[in-house]
Amino acid sequence: AQTVTQSQPEMSVQEAETVTLSCTYDTSESDYYLFWYKQPPSRQMILVIRQEAYKQQNATENRFSVNFQKAAKSFSLKISDSQLGDAAMYFCAYRSAGLRGGGSNYKLTFGKGTLLTVNP
Amino acid sequence: DSGVTQTPKHLITATGQRVTLRCSPRSGDLSVYWYQQSLDQGLQFLIQYYNGEERAKGNILERFSAQQFPDLHSELNLSSLELGDSALYFCASSDRTGGVETQYFGPGTRLLVL
Repeated sequence: AQTVTQSQPEMSVQEAETVTLSCTYDTSESDYYLFWYKQPPSRQMILVIRQEAYKQQNATENRFSVNFQKAAKSFSLKISDSQLGDAAMYFCAYRSAGLRGGGSNYKLTFGKGTLLTVNP
Repeated sequence: DSGVTQTPKHLITATGQRVTLRCSPRSGDLSVYWYQQSLDQGLQFLIQYYNGEERAKGNILERFSAQQFPDLHSELNLSSLELGDSALYFCASSDRTGGVETQYFGPGTRLLVL
């Protein structure tokens, strides 16, 4: 079974600074997807970024980027120019690639989360 | 707004009772997933439906059941409730974006069992 580990229960960053959240995972599969979700105080789960394991290029979405190290099974999230609205719980998630068709079991396996505080 | 709706937003009930949580997926999404978020267990996958059929089960208790209806909305039924069932229950529906299926989460139903 796959496991996802987020070793930092809490992190803090100054507004406008950069912060990196860590995530490691364990799997025997070669094809899979990785995600970062954000959960603000509203408790809504919001997709931040995703990475396909077969792609060597790291994904980026505006101020958010990842450092994907497949051999090390590491998937960290970098937030640049941090904003007050970035304060939230961040979850790393793993998903098997499954069958290349509709309706496969694409359940997400989540880490325990990292609570990010942004200081003004 | 993810486009996934869940009702009710909050639910307070007593031990031994039964409740039904409802989820409407995004338009066009055929897959619905249910997750439970609790303080001690974190976020856990419960069950998946695809176009009306059960596709996968995770850590779902026998007291819990779900179904997906022809209009694709889904219901999660929780019975013989215990204090430990208090949690935030999420529904997610999935699309296929460039071949990668991404799950979009609803706002959740917060269940409190007293």
